[in-house]
Order: sequence, then C-alpha cells, then structure tokens
Amino acid sequence: GQNIDQPTEMTATEGAIVQINCTYQTSGFNGLFWYQQHAGEAPTFLSYNVLDGLEEKGRFSSFLSRSKGYSYLLLKELQMKDSASYLCAVMHSSASKIIFGSGTRLSIRP
Amino acid sequence: GAGVSQSPRYKVAKRGQDVALRCDPISGHVSLFWYQQALGQGPEFLTYFQNEAQLDKSGLPSDRFFAERPEGSVSTLKIQRTQQEDSAVYLCASSETSGVQDTQYFGPGTRLTVL
Repeated sequence: GQNIDQPTEMTATEGAIVQINCTYQTSGFNGLFWYQQHAGEAPTFLSYNVLDGLEEKGRFSSFLSRSKGYSYLLLKELQMKDSASYLCAVMHSSASKIIFGSGTRLSIRP
Repeated sequence: GAGVSQSPRYKVAKRGQDVALRCDPISGHVSLFWYQQALGQGPEFLTYFQNEAQLDKSGLPSDRFFAERPEGSVSTLKIQRTQQEDSAVYLCASSETSGVQDTQYFGPGTRLTVL
C-alpha cells in the first residue's frame, strides 16, 4: 500500500524561506512529484524527482532521499501569491497512477 | 494550445440521479486520468486510460462509477444513482505519452454536489 505524510498547515512570512516535508511508504516507487494548488483551482506541476538529490528551479527546489522515503519542497523569497496547498505525490511502480498526500496549506503573511 | 477542459464546472444532483462529467484532454495526449478530490484532501486516483484502453480502474469506488474514452480523446465519467458521499471535485488530467515521469496536466475540475 501507500502512505504519504505531510504537515496539514504552515505559515511563513513574505520574503522568507519555507521547507515543506513529505515522508512516504510505498510498495513500489517510480518518482515523486510536487504540485501547487490554489483554492478552487487545478493542481499545477512544480517538480519531479526520481533520483536522490536536489533539483532547483528558480525560487523552488525539491529534494529526494529514496533510502529514507523523504522529500522536501523549499520555497525561497516567498511572495503572497505562494499562498496555496502543496501536494506531495508518489508515482506507483505500476506507472499508471499517482498517489497524492493530503496537501500542506501554506499561508504567507506580510 | 488549450489546456484540459472539463464540463460542467458545477453540478448539483438529487440523490439517486445519474450524472455525466466530461473531460477534453490536451489534443494528442495519450494518457488520461480521473481523480476525486474531497474538501481539504489530495486528489485520489480513480481510473486511467491509454488512448481508448482503460488500463486501470482500481480506484473507482463502486460499480456505480463508469468511465469511457471511446475514441481515445474525450472522456466521460458517469456516476449512477448518486449518493451524498459522491460530493467532491472530479479532476481530469492528461499527459503526452505513457512515460512514467510524464507531467500530468490537470483540468479545472467539476464540483459535484449531491443533495
């Protein structure tokens, strides 16, 4: 089976840095995704990690450790528009489905 | 080109009614996925198509749920005899190929409310 854990809510200050953690237990693993979802909108793709290490993309970075079943999403120079839910998702080894966590609701304060 | 579109955006049904939700994927995309998202939760996988073939329907919660993609493009998710627990946002996503790391592009979803 699959189990994905991430914090329910986080708060951070505009201009600061925040790290959103995700741990997973899975019977099969083919990569980990991070998606951003604003309230009432569709999830949008942020990153995909399949090998250990850090992937950097502008203000957003994602890290994966397969041996620890652990990932984090790092957001730098936070902006008010970054207020959203951030979904950690694991690609099952069958490659036909993505299993999502419940999401972390991030609130940015001025 | 246009992204994934879904219709209707909102649907209110009385308990026991049948509903049909439509998804228009990005043109040429091979893979199509349906998800169910309850309030405050992440999307939950329902079913997956590769072209017209339904390769995985393990996430469909009951035999009241049926999905099809007869010509390998537009897909319809049908829910028969709707129940209150079916109230959720139904998301459709498509990806260009069947590759494992292929990005899934999501539509805006259909919010279904069953009274």
